[in-house]
Amino acid sequence: EPEVTQTPSHQVTQMGQEVILRCVPISNHLYFYWYRQILGQKVEFLVSFYNNEISEKSEIFDDQFSVERPDGSNFTLKIRSTKLEDSAMYFCASRPRTGQETQYFGPGTRLLVL
Amino acid sequence: AQSVTQLGSHVSVSEGALVLLRCNYSSSVPPYLFWYVQYPNQGLQLLLKYTSAATLVKGINGFEAEFKKSETSFHLTKPSAHMSDAAEYFCAVSEPGNTGKLIFGQGTTLQVKP
Repeated sequence: EPEVTQTPSHQVTQMGQEVILRCVPISNHLYFYWYRQILGQKVEFLVSFYNNEISEKSEIFDDQFSVERPDGSNFTLKIRSTKLEDSAMYFCASRPRTGQETQYFGPGTRLLVL
Repeated sequence: AQSVTQLGSHVSVSEGALVLLRCNYSSSVPPYLFWYVQYPNQGLQLLLKYTSAATLVKGINGFEAEFKKSETSFHLTKPSAHMSDAAEYFCAVSEPGNTGKLIFGQGTTLQVKP
């Protein structure tokens, strides 16, 4: 069964450093998402991406964040200058098309900012 | 704006007992509703979803949920708990026809005692 994959599974970085989190959505899916889950808190929506552009972003998704689908298969989340409060589990999700509402989640990347 | 409230951050049941996890939602339009399960150190797996068809929805692993518009609820039930059901459960809502972003509740940790 096709799966959403994410790399790395864990990343430790120093405050102020740039990180890129990578996701490979399910092939032929058209909608892509990033969510984050700070330890002990709920899963929060960050951004949705469709047709090679951001379709919606949350208040969390400020200028330090960017997303890209560079090669038609990968979907990346970049944090330009990490802060301590960016420490969280980051989930990528994809869904097939309009009318198919189920999102399929990857296993997540645990980011720790020191 | 959409929101989800899950009553009870921790629920403990005995093996074989009824599982009831509560979810109430707020939405300005008829919503889509989802239950996801998260096992330790894993991603989110869809248990079941309501997308305006039958109000009683059956999912995987013997779980089901009933959409009650009058009560704005989508409670998750399972007649007989199994040890393997111990996990965190998230209720989520999305708005049809929109970007499909999911708004999650705080989550409920289900403990199953032998």
